Amino acid sequence: GENVEQHPSTLSVQEGDSAVIKCTYSDSASNYFPWYKQELGKGPQLIIDIRSNVGEKKDQRIAVTLNKTAKHFSLHITETQPEDSAVYFCAYLFSGGYNKLIFGAGTRLAVHP
Amino acid sequence: GAVVSQHPSRVICKSGTSVKIECRSLDFQATTMFWYRQFPKQSLMLMATSNEGSKATYEQGVEKDKFLINHASLTLSTLTVTSAHPEDSSFYICSARKDITGQGRGEQYFGPGTRLTVT
Repeated sequence: GENVEQHPSTLSVQEGDSAVIKCTYSDSASNYFPWYKQELGKGPQLIIDIRSNVGEKKDQRIAVTLNKTAKHFSLHITETQPEDSAVYFCAYLFSGGYNKLIFGAGTRLAVHP
Repeated sequence: GAVVSQHPSRVICKSGTSVKIECRSLDFQATTMFWYRQFPKQSLMLMATSNEGSKATYEQGVEKDKFLINHASLTLSTLTVTSAHPEDSSFYICSARKDITGQGRGEQYFGPGTRLTVT
């Protein structure tokens, strides 16, 4: 089926702390998992992605982990800064039909100075 | 880079008129583009998948005669909202999938969005 659960829906952290957002998907055949950041009034921005042949990928303060057996993937942001405040969406590439991305409901992250 | 532009960024139109929104991939080819609609504080809702040179594929519940999609080239797709009504007011976002080539692996990039208000 086409479903991805994203938690938490809101997350509030102090500047410098870490933030973790988790997603669970249902399509066991999926092999591509991107994360997007959306600031108010703007389109989503691809910030990191991972494919099923690796379990972890890191890009500076952002990392993504993937557990294909459990069908979980997570976004980790370390040393958070106020400019990290935004809505974050996880997604996975649905393997059936037309290769469309299935999006989570989003996590509103607030980083307080 | 991977830049997707969208025009216009904001449009206000009267009920019953039509509005066209353009989506361009500026520095890569995109055989496949997507059109989404987003309501306040909600996730992205896929409306249709647009393939260059062929008819768009619409999601269930999306009226193809109301939301006309044309994907005329590898870098341009347009969405026309016909006979717009106030309930069509929303944030419309396009997305382009980078063709799988030596430089692209199928990543999907979004435009900045178009805020449509129908009065």
